[in-house]
Amino acid sequence: GDSVTQMEGPVTLSEEACLTINCTYTATGYPSLFWYVQYPGEGLQLLLKATKADDKGSNKGFEATYRKETTSFHLEKGSVQVSDSAVYFCALRGKAAGNKLTFGGGTRVLVKP
Amino acid sequence: GAVVSQHPSWVICKSGTSVKIECRSLDFQATTMFWYRQFPKQSLMLMATSNEGSKATYEQGVEKDKFLINHASLTLSTLTVTSAHPEDSSFYICSAIPGGLVDGYTFGSGTRLTVV
Repeated sequence: GDSVTQMEGPVTLSEEACLTINCTYTATGYPSLFWYVQYPGEGLQLLLKATKADDKGSNKGFEATYRKETTSFHLEKGSVQVSDSAVYFCALRGKAAGNKLTFGGGTRVLVKP
Repeated sequence: GAVVSQHPSWVICKSGTSVKIECRSLDFQATTMFWYRQFPKQSLMLMATSNEGSKATYEQGVEKDKFLINHASLTLSTLTVTSAHPEDSSFYICSAIPGGLVDGYTFGSGTRLTVV
């Protein structure tokens, strides 16, 4: 079945540092890929998505490129802020799974001033 | 943009009682809603898919008699945790997709359930 593996946290960074969260997936065909962010005590917010190979999703300074050859969708940001402290989830929607989302385990990011 | 409202945001109940969580799509109709459970510092686990006007589809291992789902209208789905026990304490999140918006999943803000 479909699965998503992302690096475990917590990841602790200083403000203005670069952030990379690795995400790899297993799915048949070409799934849609997502990054969601969850702030403490809240639900999930879509950060970015990509629906086909080589697509790049971007939002709020975050980027991720759909790499079919490496089945990866790594999240990157060049300069993080304290407000980026949150839990980040990589997810996919497999073409055979209807509208079901499969989530990775989540990566907690803490940015210190 | 599309908004999913979830209530209550937190609830504390005694063991053996039932708790109802509501999930409303505020500005769109949702024929399908999804219910997730999230344990502390863990990922989201899909519990069931709620279909308007029909029975919910539960994921393997989820007790349908314990987690009752009702999707009586195009804007409201409810999850009732029956005869709650401390092990049911968790963060419950609902999600819906606005009609015609492919991959446009919108999530509620979640409900923190604590059973004492």
